[in-house]
Amino acid sequence: EADIYQTPRYLVIGTGKKITLECSQTMGHDKMYWYQQDPGMELHLIHYSYGVNSTEKGDLSSESTVSRIRTEHFPLTLESARPSHTSQYLCASSEYGNYNSPLHFGNGTRLTVT
Amino acid sequence: QKEVEQDPGPLSVPEGAIVSLNCTYSNSAFQYFMWYRQYSRKGPELLMYTYSSGNKEDGRFTAQVDKSSKYISLFIRDSQPSDSATYLCAMSTSRETSGSRLTFGEGTQLTVNP
Repeated sequence: EADIYQTPRYLVIGTGKKITLECSQTMGHDKMYWYQQDPGMELHLIHYSYGVNSTEKGDLSSESTVSRIRTEHFPLTLESARPSHTSQYLCASSEYGNYNSPLHFGNGTRLTVT
Repeated sequence: QKEVEQDPGPLSVPEGAIVSLNCTYSNSAFQYFMWYRQYSRKGPELLMYTYSSGNKEDGRFTAQVDKSSKYISLFIRDSQPSDSATYLCAMSTSRETSGSRLTFGEGTQLTVNP
């Protein structure tokens, strides 16, 4: 059973709205990530964090922002949603200091911006 | 050119078949290779992890790496309907196989028909 939770699972929202995608994990992992996944496309890293108050942008440019105020919580915010933001967003975590630590993924938030 | 190429399928096989899933890559610095399995409406989960060249077996699954050809494979023996999922390969140049250092393939969608 997954110990990393994403809410909402599905979100349909109009252009221009501000949205926050929630991600929480109960494993005490220091490392957390946000990926974007589109059909037939590889996972793209958009943000990551190695601990509280640490955030970095990933390989894929994104208009979203993230924060890491608590170890277990890594929300992603879009200030003004656009149709181009329609995608699946996956949150993941891994253990710091363990080179072989696998990524633990949540079940994703499927976002549709109309 | 993408660093990692993976045939997206879809691949449909009868129950009991041997399945071969493949990825090619262009970056010769990749040394750590992973296969993730993603069921529909779920996040990916780590299936196999290998280092450098050679084979690794885990039950019905065998991961194979051929660094000279820059080619990795995942074989599934006696495939079952429960193996129906999307399989993603992932690679890293670093011993630190955390999400910030992984490059993913596009994923191959597999259906095993009873």
